[in-house]
Amino acid sequence: DVKVTQSSRYLVKRTGEKVFLECVQDMDHENMFWYRQDPGLGLRLIYFSYDVKMKEKGDIPEGYSVSREKKERFSLILESASTNQTSMYLCASTTDRTNTEAFFGQGTRLTVV
Amino acid sequence: GQQVMQIPQYQHVQEGEDFTTYCNSSTTLSNIQWYKQRPGGHPVFLIQLVKSGEVKKQKRLTFQFGEAKKNSSLHITATQTTDVGTYFCAGPEDRGSQGNLIFGKGTKLSVKP
Repeated sequence: DVKVTQSSRYLVKRTGEKVFLECVQDMDHENMFWYRQDPGLGLRLIYFSYDVKMKEKGDIPEGYSVSREKKERFSLILESASTNQTSMYLCASTTDRTNTEAFFGQGTRLTVV
Repeated sequence: GQQVMQIPQYQHVQEGEDFTTYCNSSTTLSNIQWYKQRPGGHPVFLIQLVKSGEVKKQKRLTFQFGEAKKNSSLHITATQTTDVGTYFCAGPEDRGSQGNLIFGKGTKLSVKP
């Protein structure tokens, strides 16, 4: 079974903290994605990566950065957490550039207080 | 920019009633995918449609891809409480980048027993 694992299910951080969300996939997928999900807004793409050390901005990259040093790991970084970044964060991966199905992690519910 | 729109946003049905969600893309899609997210869960791939006019069935679920490959629908016959969740459609981004999917905002289905 393909597995996409996010490091935390729930996280509470203080405003201004630097926050790291980790995602690991075990199927040698080339593409990895970070989304945030908010009620009524669906899944919004923050960043994605199609190769090690490669990254592309999604629709809402402001306030976020990413790191992909190894193929299996894609990290989302909140440089200085703010309350408006309280959300559900979902990591996903796909096999290659030809749009096969996306596999999602279980999600991290981040609360910034 | 490219958009995938989905209606309705919410649907409340009595158990046993039918349910349909519609997906409309601003551009022609090479394929369309459907995902289901159970309450508290993460999106899980249901199916991919590739051919113009394609119809696929999974038990009580019927998926259609329009002739112009710009719209799609998911129909559930005789809903059950296990059908509760949010249904997303997604199509590949057409800007030439790698493997990114554009998701609709989803239709949240609730089923009253």
